[in-house]
Amino acid sequence: EAQVTQNPRYLITVTGKKLTVTCSQNMNHEYMSWYRQDPGLGLRQIYYSMNVEVTDKGDVPEGYKVSRKEKRNFPLILESPSPNQTSLYFCASSLTSVNEQYFGPGTRLTVT
Amino acid sequence: AQKITQTQPGMFVQEKEAVTLDCTYDTSDPSYGLFWYKQPSSGEMIFLIYQGSYDQQNATEGRYSLNFQKARKSANLVISASQLGDSAMYFCAMRVLSNFGNEKLTFGTGTRLTIIP
Repeated sequence: EAQVTQNPRYLITVTGKKLTVTCSQNMNHEYMSWYRQDPGLGLRQIYYSMNVEVTDKGDVPEGYKVSRKEKRNFPLILESPSPNQTSLYFCASSLTSVNEQYFGPGTRLTVT
Repeated sequence: AQKITQTQPGMFVQEKEAVTLDCTYDTSDPSYGLFWYKQPSSGEMIFLIYQGSYDQQNATEGRYSLNFQKARKSANLVISASQLGDSAMYFCAMRVLSNFGNEKLTFGTGTRLTIIP
């Protein structure tokens, strides 16, 4: 089954404790992206990747890191999480940026 | 900077009526694409329809159509014969070329559609 998986689905953590949210797709897509969704603000792109080893900043990259060492995986790293990073995070992939994006189920992160 | 504007935070529509969800965009790039996604209360994001800036005809997918008016920079989603299952948040999004030739996606803030029986 074609899908994008994210783990964990829910995470409660404390300020400053490094965390990684994993994202994996099984569709051989080149384009992958991370978004955060906050009430009233819609989805905002954090980082995206056009292909292996090619990443670029979206609209809200501060406080986040990504890597794309393999085509299927695109982890999101929060080196020192802060409460303002409490949000719902989505990973998505598509064949290219002009094709429809397949979204993961979302990760609800709470930073206390 | 590229921008997507959805001016209707919420809409209530009677079942079986047609619905138009507004989306305006701003970009100086001549090549761009516009997407609509649906997010039901369960949270998943569902792709609905896509329109490229050079496409000659308005995109249609079943009950969904995109009213693309390039001169007005609008890309409104039209849902014909609305159903209770159409109640959801709807997002308009745009693909643009960034300064370095890569491509990022910008989403609007969304419109929450409620279908009334």
